[in-house]
Amino acid sequence: DQQVKQNSPSLSVQEGRISILNCDYTNSMFDYFLWYKKYPAEGPTFLISISSIKDKNEDGRFTVFLNKSAKHLSLHIVPSQPGDSAVYFCAASGDAGGTSYGKLTFGQGTILTVHP
Amino acid sequence: DADVTQTPRNRITKTGKRIMLECSQTKGHDRMYWYRQDPGLGLRLIYYSFDVKDINKGEISDGYSVSRQAQAKFSLSLESAIPNQTALYFCATRRGEWETQYFGPGTRLLVL
Repeated sequence: DQQVKQNSPSLSVQEGRISILNCDYTNSMFDYFLWYKKYPAEGPTFLISISSIKDKNEDGRFTVFLNKSAKHLSLHIVPSQPGDSAVYFCAASGDAGGTSYGKLTFGQGTILTVHP
Repeated sequence: DADVTQTPRNRITKTGKRIMLECSQTKGHDRMYWYRQDPGLGLRLIYYSFDVKDINKGEISDGYSVSRQAQAKFSLSLESAIPNQTALYFCATRRGEWETQYFGPGTRLLVL
């Protein structure tokens, strides 16, 4: 059973516009959420995270929103650039803090294409 | 220099063969992980390790084994490879509290 879901396999956006990537989760024990970006032939790289005590975290052009009641998070990229074209994975953890294992559960990924 | 390295980067093998994928890190992290990525399924956790004496199964450990030879090295073995183990394999490391995971570049494995 997929505990973290990204229901849109792909998203196409024009350069300069906003990209919104969505992620839903089912496990209420998750308390830490992350977004990773992956280019072809490379490993995923960390983009931005949010803990469950917050509902928004911003880092430059990237903002992550968390709606705990809906078990939904989204990543906004404004403005989108062609270099943002990649696969984006959301991930969740229920034991991120303390001397824990920090296991991550990943969504399926969304392929973002930003057209010039 | 890459902080997390994986060897080999690509491997083709035959059904029934034993194969080992290796991961090394220079980050000094205690926690290490092995994932596989399949199209449409994202990354799934195979094994994880807190230190050299601590090995734990992830959600899809059947058909795999691991060895934590040192803090910096974590190897994944397929004792008898089968075609549905064809996938992209990633190693990752993590330091500690509220830290993210850092991934290696991946090993693309094809089992014929």
